[in-house]
Amino acid sequence: EAGVTQSPTHLIKTRGQQVTLRCSPISGHTSVYWYQQALGLGLQFLLWYDEGEERNRGNFPPRFSGRQFPNYSSELNVNALELEDSALYLCASSLVNNEQFFGPGTRLTVL
Amino acid sequence: AQSVTQPDIHITVSEGASLELRCNYSYGATPYLFWYVQSPGQGLQLLLKYFSGDTLVQGIKGFEAEFKRSQSSFNLRKPSVHWSDAAEYFCAVGEGGSYIPTFGRGTSLIVHP
Repeated sequence: EAGVTQSPTHLIKTRGQQVTLRCSPISGHTSVYWYQQALGLGLQFLLWYDEGEERNRGNFPPRFSGRQFPNYSSELNVNALELEDSALYLCASSLVNNEQFFGPGTRLTVL
Repeated sequence: AQSVTQPDIHITVSEGASLELRCNYSYGATPYLFWYVQSPGQGLQLLLKYFSGDTLVQGIKGFEAEFKRSQSSFNLRKPSVHWSDAAEYFCAVGEGGSYIPTFGRGTSLIVHP
């Protein structure tokens, strides 16, 4: 069974640009979660999608947004990038109210 | 609101020695508790979980954890550490209903040969 996949693996952007990260959940999982892991800060919850709807949102500004598609894959969009957005962005999937399975992450560097 | 504290930022042990990583949580009801491991540049892998029942939980890779309600703790243990166990370890607490775990800031395990 394939695990959670994320793309791209790495990317480099400059301040003010926009970026889109992608996540494909484990087959059969309807929930997708996004986390930001900045250096020394642990995992910060960003967004939770289930059945195509945004179910919960962490304490992040509106320039962090996303969506979930009918096949349950998901995108995370970050507009007007700032230096402090540099981090590893992790996606996880689960059956609703169950343990999360994580992807390998996307390393974003903002210059 | 739920919170998780991992008091040790770094832990150094010798290969073959025993290991205990500490985790304390703050949550009103019976929590869902997790330990995850993250190797450098990788995502998180679930080691073990506690939802209910036996308070001593066995996980993968020879790890175990014990839920102690009176101490609000869920410490991770391993009797003999291998060099491949060097990684970042995260404790997390979740709740039923709208389940989104809160993660601790992690403990970095260094294993000396």
